[in-house]
Amino acid sequence: DVKVTQSSRYLVKRTGEKVFLECVQDMDHENMFWYRQDPGLGLRLIYFSYDVKMKEKGDIPEGYSVSREKKERFSLILESASTNQTSMYLCASSLRQGGNEQYFGPGTRLTVT
Amino acid sequence: ILNVEQSPQSLHVQEGDSTNFTCSFPSSNFYALHWYRWETAKSPEALFVMTLNGDEKKKGRISATLNTKEGYSYLYIKGSQPEDSATYLCARRGGSNYKLTFGKGTLLTVNP
Repeated sequence: DVKVTQSSRYLVKRTGEKVFLECVQDMDHENMFWYRQDPGLGLRLIYFSYDVKMKEKGDIPEGYSVSREKKERFSLILESASTNQTSMYLCASSLRQGGNEQYFGPGTRLTVT
Repeated sequence: ILNVEQSPQSLHVQEGDSTNFTCSFPSSNFYALHWYRWETAKSPEALFVMTLNGDEKKKGRISATLNTKEGYSYLYIKGSQPEDSATYLCARRGGSNYKLTFGKGTLLTVNP
């Protein structure tokens, strides 16, 4: 079974802190994604990566950066956390070929105070 | 249609009822349509990926159809059970880009 894990289920940070959210997948998937989910807005793509060291902006990249140094790991970085980044963050991965269905991690609920 | 739209937003049905919901999406530059089920406190889980106009897919009591020319997909659940309670998400992939654009979901509650 594909497994996507995220470093924390719940995280509380202060405004201005640098925040790292880590995601690891164990199925050798080329593509990895970071989403945030907010009530009434659905899942919105922040960044994705289709290969090591490759990244592309999603729909809402402002205030975020990403890092993919190894194929299995994709990190989301909040350079200076703000209260409007309080959200549920979901990581996903998929194969480059085939149906490309995405496999999701359990999510990290981040609260910025 | 510029966005992926799902209707209804929420739905309450009785155990044993059959139900369906709709996903509407831009038909131009279409590549694939995904359906996911997202149960509370769990991760979203892929149900179907459909690419061809007229595609029909089935998994147990759940099935889906796709019309790429007019830009819509239906998800059907036959004989709903309480364990079907979840948010059902559809997502459109356009062109060769790997990005998915998600709808806001339909929240289904099945009452025993």
